Amino acid sequence: AQKVTQAQTEISVVEKEDVTLDCVYETRDTTYYLFWYKQPPSGELVFLIRRNSFDEQNEISGRYSWNFQKSTSSFNFTITASQVVDSAVYFCALSEPSSGGSYIPTFGRGTSLIVHP
Amino acid sequence: DSGVTQTPKHLITATGQRVTLRCSPRSGDLSVYWYQQSLDQGLQFLIQYYNGEERAKGNILERFSAQQFPDLHSELNLSSLELGDSALYFCASSVEGLDYNEQFFGPGTRLTVL
Repeated sequence: AQKVTQAQTEISVVEKEDVTLDCVYETRDTTYYLFWYKQPPSGELVFLIRRNSFDEQNEISGRYSWNFQKSTSSFNFTITASQVVDSAVYFCALSEPSSGGSYIPTFGRGTSLIVHP
Repeated sequence: DSGVTQTPKHLITATGQRVTLRCSPRSGDLSVYWYQQSLDQGLQFLIQYYNGEERAKGNILERFSAQQFPDLHSELNLSSLELGDSALYFCASSVEGLDYNEQFFGPGTRLTVL
């Protein structure tokens, strides 16, 4: 089973629509971290948010918001009033402690978001 | 601009060859991570170095090796290259703390093996 599942391979919306990208994770650790990264067409990976397993507060940053629910092992990402510049591949990642003490991320396969004008 | 630099940006080589990818972390970051992104495997963690020492290993092939130098830059060596090694190789760096693992990624090196 995958540790991080992004079931939506591709989402296509029209500008100004709201869109939610799903992320479901699997871990036995009580301490872990969840991330979202954006990979625009230029190819670079851009950090969007980090959330630790003890902090279930939802977060809003401008048009972006994140809904972390431990009960369903989900960390969903919503973009409000989408814009063409939001077109990118979005990766959800889970960081769990390794035997060496370091936290190593496992990435989902990504969701490609296409925002049409 | 994340502050992480990677060279070269593109690399085209032939099967059986050996290449070296270079990464300079952000100023002050002690940890360097290497990732491979391919269509087949997605984004996969390869290896991590912290202050010159190997810290964690992921899905890194025996034909691949890495090291981190005293000035904290890192090199990923790929040898006996195969067509399937064609991928985007990312380096990331972080300030390794007890509970801090935000990673900043470089622009990547696109390797094409012909």
